[in-house]
Amino acid sequence: AQTVTQSQPEMSVQEAETVTLSCTYDTSESDYYLFWYKQPPSRQMILVIRQEAYKQQNATENRFSVNFQKAAKSFSLKISDSQLGDAAMYFCACASGTYKYIFGTGTRLKVLA
Amino acid sequence: NAGVMQNPRHLVRRRGQEARLRCSPMKGHSHVYWYRQLPEEGLKFMVYLQKENIIDESGMPKERFSAEFPKEGPSILRIQQVVRGDSAAYFCASSPDYLSTDTQYFGPGTRLTVL
Repeated sequence: AQTVTQSQPEMSVQEAETVTLSCTYDTSESDYYLFWYKQPPSRQMILVIRQEAYKQQNATENRFSVNFQKAAKSFSLKISDSQLGDAAMYFCACASGTYKYIFGTGTRLKVLA
Repeated sequence: NAGVMQNPRHLVRRRGQEARLRCSPMKGHSHVYWYRQLPEEGLKFMVYLQKENIIDESGMPKERFSAEFPKEGPSILRIQQVVRGDSAAYFCASSPDYLSTDTQYFGPGTRLTVL
């Protein structure tokens, strides 16, 4: 069975600083995809970044980047130059060989002014 | 290009009533997925539909819950005789195809409160 674990229920970061959110996953599939979604207070699920497991290069989207460690089954999200608008719940998700996304329990990110 | 639309955004029902949640996928997307998010939890898969077909409903409770995606109109998630435990946020997502290579785009969700 696939699992996704986010061990940090809550994180805080000072505005303009960098923060890293952790995610580990488990799957027996060799081909899979990993995602980070942001859920602000509006509860909209917004795709932040996506990583294909077959790609060694870490995905990057502006201030958001991932550290994908395939052997360790780790997929952390780094947010640089944090902004107040980054405050939200962040969910890590995995899709392996199927359309069913498996989500972690989320990390609440607080950005301090 | 409009995103995934869901309505209503908030729905309040008393125990025993029916709840109908609607989802219109993104233009060009023919695959719809419903997820449920209980308080303080991540989203959990419920059902996957294509036009006029239920492909996988393995995540949906066997009783009181049903889903459809008719040839015309939005996808509907229907909960009969709601109970307090049904209170949750229900998200719809769509994709152009069913492959895991296709990113699922989520709607804003419907928050169901059962009194």
